[in-house]
Formats: sequence, C-alpha cells, structure tokens
Amino acid sequence: DAGVTQSPTHLIKTRGQQVTLRCSPISGHKSVSWYQQVLGQGPQFIFQYYEKEERGRGNFPDRFSARQFPNYSSELNVNALLLGDSALYLCASRPRGVLNTEAFFGQGTRLTVV
Amino acid sequence: GENVEQHPSTLSVQEGDSAVIKCTYSDSASNYFPWYKQELGKRPQLIIDIRSNVGEKKDQRIAVTLNKTAKHFSLHITETQPEDSAVYFCAASTAGTASKLTFGTGTRLQVTL
Repeated sequence: DAGVTQSPTHLIKTRGQQVTLRCSPISGHKSVSWYQQVLGQGPQFIFQYYEKEERGRGNFPDRFSARQFPNYSSELNVNALLLGDSALYLCASRPRGVLNTEAFFGQGTRLTVV
Repeated sequence: GENVEQHPSTLSVQEGDSAVIKCTYSDSASNYFPWYKQELGKRPQLIIDIRSNVGEKKDQRIAVTLNKTAKHFSLHITETQPEDSAVYFCAASTAGTASKLTFGTGTRLQVTL
C-alpha cells in the first residue's frame, strides 16, 4: 500500500508569488489535514478536510486556502508568498474525520521563499 | 484553544539508559495523545498513542502514561539505542469533525555511545 504522497518535494518561490502543493492520501482515507512546520518547531495545523468539506481551520491568514477533490486528494494554495512562509508543509491522512485515529504523514514539501 | 507544552527541549542520554519526555495540555476535552518521532529531513512517524480512557500503554521499550487530572502525559523510552536519536513530538487532539493535532515544541534526543 502506498503511503501519503506529496508533491513537489522541494520548491523555491519568490516573494509575492503563489504556490500550490498537492497531497494524495492513503487509499480509503477520507480525511486530509495540512500542517506547517517551521524549522525547529512542531507542526502547526492549517486545515482539515473530510468528505470534501472544510472541517477545521487553524490560525493562518486568508492567503492560505485548500480544497479536497472527489478522489480525496487535496491541494494547499498560498498566495502572495512571504519570507515567513518558508517551511515544511506536511499533509496527513486519517481513515475517518470524527473519531481520533492515527494520522499518517506524507514526506512533506519543503517550500523556500526568497 | 489547546496549548501543549513539552519538556525538555534537548535530552542527552547514554546508550542503555532511560529517557523521559513530559508534556502538559490545557484543554480538558482532549482525549487522544500521540507521540511522533521525526528524524532529520523525514516525516513524523507515530511511535505510540494513548486515549483518555487508559492511564498507561506500553509497546516494547516505549511506554506512555497519562494523568488526566493533572493534564500531563509522558513518554518513556527504556534501554535507549543510538537509533532512538531523533526529535520527538507530543500532541493532543479532541474528538470531533475538526480533530486537529496540537503539537508540542519537540524534544531533541541524543543517545551517545
């Protein structure tokens, strides 16, 4: 079974640009969450999607948006990039959205904003 | 919202010794507490988790304890090995449709020979 896959693995963008990150959950998992991990810190929750609906949003500006597709894959979009958006962006999938079950993380997308 | 504090930030132990990492959480509604191990440049991987209906869980050399009254939970690693060296994160989560994980700030564990 394939795990959670994210693309691209690395990305360099210029301030003010826009970026789209992609995530494919484990087959059968319907819940996808996005986290931002700044170097030296723990992951910070950005969004959770379950059954294609946004079910939670963290304390991030409106420049961050996401969506989930019918096949449960997801995209995270960040507009008007700032230097402070440089981080590892992690996607996690879970079998169900409501009950607390293990979250499986992808390898992440390392975004560098210059 | 939930706040998770984790101590210590760095921990150095000799191979074979035990390591203990402690976390506290603020939201009494939290009921799921996973621990993740993250090696340099890799994804966080779940090593053990505990739910609020139990006080202790053990898996070989790793154990987690939970004190709901004090809102504390701890990770215990016995007979540490060099491959245990990594950053460990605790997290807390509540049930619900937006069951996000709130992570601690991490503990860098170094196991020396």
